[in-house]
Amino acid sequence: AQKVTQAQTEISVVEKEDVTLDCVYETRDTTYYLFWYKQPPSGELVFLIRRNSFDEQNEISGRYSWNFQKSTSSFNFTITASQVVDSAVYFCALSEADTDKLIFGTGTRLQVFP
Amino acid sequence: DVKVTQSSRYLVKRTGEKVFLECVQDMDHENMFWYRQDPGLGLRLIYFSYDVKMKEKGDIPEGYSVSREKKERFSLILESASTNQTSMYLCASAGTGLFRDGNSPLHFGNGTRLTVT
Repeated sequence: AQKVTQAQTEISVVEKEDVTLDCVYETRDTTYYLFWYKQPPSGELVFLIRRNSFDEQNEISGRYSWNFQKSTSSFNFTITASQVVDSAVYFCALSEADTDKLIFGTGTRLQVFP
Repeated sequence: DVKVTQSSRYLVKRTGEKVFLECVQDMDHENMFWYRQDPGLGLRLIYFSYDVKMKEKGDIPEGYSVSREKKERFSLILESASTNQTSMYLCASAGTGLFRDGNSPLHFGNGTRLTVT
């Protein structure tokens, strides 16, 4: 069965600190997809990134970076030099190749204080 | 930009009432989804639909039904609302190929916060 674990319920940092949000997943499939979504206070989930299981290259997009490690079944998300606008709930999600369902983790609430 | 619109931001209903949550998307997407979001439980899939008049149960369909008479509209129905259905409900849509081609991730609405008293 597929499962996504985000062990960090809430993280608080001060602006400009780096912060890493952890995501560990379980799946029996060899082909699967991993996602991160951001949910700001407005409530709408915003898509951040998609990764397929064959692409273990780390990705960087501005202050955001993602570290995909199949050996540890992890897909961690790092925000460098955090800003107050980064305050949100972040969800990691998994989909197996033969389904059209996303399984979400329980989310990590990030609070960035000025 | 894809727009997914949920008809109500906040809704208060009484136990036993029949409740309709409406969702409309403007990108001609085939796939539509209803999730509920609860603290500590993340997002859980209630129902989804691949096409008009088609529906599939998600992980927690009990107490809910859905209707998809038109491609752009996907309704979630609580036949007899109960207090344990108090939650945030999120609608989402995605086009053909969904996750596999990477071009159509889920697009979410702003959510409907339903309170059942």
